[in-house]
Amino acid sequence: KAGVTQTPRYLIKTRGQQVTLSCSPISGHRSVSWYQQTPGQGLQFLFEYFSETQRNKGNFPGRFSGRQFSNSRSEMNVSTLELGDSALYLCASKPPESRGEQFFGPGTRLTVL
Amino acid sequence: SQQGEEDPQALSIQEGENATMNCSYKTSINNLQWYRQNSGRGLVHLILIRSNEREKHSGRLRVTLDTSKKSSSLLITASRAADTASYFCATSNQAGTALIFGKGTTLSVSS
Repeated sequence: KAGVTQTPRYLIKTRGQQVTLSCSPISGHRSVSWYQQTPGQGLQFLFEYFSETQRNKGNFPGRFSGRQFSNSRSEMNVSTLELGDSALYLCASKPPESRGEQFFGPGTRLTVL
Repeated sequence: SQQGEEDPQALSIQEGENATMNCSYKTSINNLQWYRQNSGRGLVHLILIRSNEREKHSGRLRVTLDTSKKSSSLLITASRAADTASYFCATSNQAGTALIFGKGTTLSVSS
């Protein structure tokens, strides 16, 4: 099976702009989670989607949003970008039989100038 | 917020040596996982240990869990240069829908 894919891999934006990141989970995985990784805060949970419904949301401002489509692909959107949003954004999917293990994509490196 | 805290933050060893990293967590858990991340890339799941298990092995990896001390350790035996990476412990939130990571241990294995 193909792994989790994320597009684009690298992105440069300026403050105030918005950005949309895409994630395609492993075939058969219906749960998709997003994480933000920065040197200062480490890995932080953004949100999790299952069957097109957001099941859990981390402690991030409303500028961060996401959605999931019927084919389990997911997008996350960040509006009104700030310099502090520069980070590696990781997507992970989880199979139905998972005890908690998640399978991560390579990430999207977002740089906000 | 960070659930797990790894120790040490950085570790440098020679090929062939063993590497041990520790993780402490704050709340009760169902399981604890370890992940590896090569420089700036995605995370790779290494091993999961359930709360009722004390030790688990996978190849050159050995994980222990002490729920009374809320701590876990990851031992990598006979390290190789390819083991150079950051290692994170992670626990799940109560609903099992989110992973909560520690800040990680950066391991450097030189040949």
